[in-house]
Amino acid sequence: GNSVTQMEGPVTLSEEAFLTINCTYTATGYPSLFWYVQYPGEGLQLLLKATKADDKGSNKGFEATYRKETTSFHLEKGSVQVSDSAVYFCALSGSARQLTFGSGTQLTVLP
Amino acid sequence: DTGVSQNPRHKITKRGQNVTFRCDPISEHNRLYWYRQTLGQGPEFLTYFQNEAQLEKSRLLSDRFSAERPKGSFSTLEIQRTEQGDSAMYLCASSFFGGSSSYEQYFGPGTRLTVT
Repeated sequence: GNSVTQMEGPVTLSEEAFLTINCTYTATGYPSLFWYVQYPGEGLQLLLKATKADDKGSNKGFEATYRKETTSFHLEKGSVQVSDSAVYFCALSGSARQLTFGSGTQLTVLP
Repeated sequence: DTGVSQNPRHKITKRGQNVTFRCDPISEHNRLYWYRQTLGQGPEFLTYFQNEAQLEKSRLLSDRFSAERPKGSFSTLEIQRTEQGDSAMYLCASSFFGGSSSYEQYFGPGTRLTVT
C-alpha cells in the first residue's frame, strides 16, 4: 500500500535560517504529492503540490520538487520566519484519491 | 465561499454513548472525505463520497461507524457505543473531481471528540 515517511520532529530554528523537512514515499503508479500545514488552533491548509515527476511546487517561499528516482518530496525554505511555526504534513494521493499522510513535523521558529 | 465547516468543534461524551458530527463542504465540491487524526499523528482516511454515493471505506471504519451524505451536500458521521479509543480529531475535506481536477482537498477545522 501507499505510505509516507517524514522527518522526525520537532525542529527548532532561528529566524532567517534555512529549512529542510525530508519526505519520502512508497506508492504504486504515479501519485500526486502535497505539503499541508497546520497552524496552532487551525485546520489543515494546502501549502503546495506537485502532480508529476520533476514538478516543483512553490508557495509563500516554500518549495518542494517531485523526485521519482529517489521517491522524495523534501520541503525547503530559504529563510524561515516566526510565523512559519506550525506542523507540516507530507501527503500523497494515489489512484484511489484519498490522501495518505506522514506523521507530521513540528517546526518552531525562534526570534 | 466560506470553506468547509464542521460542527460541533468539540464533543465530550461518556463511553457507550452515540455521537454524530456534521460536515458542510465547499458548495461546488462533489467529493467529501472523512479522516481521523490522533495526537502526534497525521490524518488517516476513513471514507469518502462522490455526490451521495459512498465509494470507499477504510478498514479503520468499524461497524460502529456510519457515514451518510443523503443529498450529496452535507455529510454526517455517527459513532455508536463510543469507546475511549475513539477519542481523536475527526476531519472533513472536500474536493471537486472531474475533467482536469487536480484532486486538491480542502479541510475543515475538525471536530475534537473526547470519550470519558
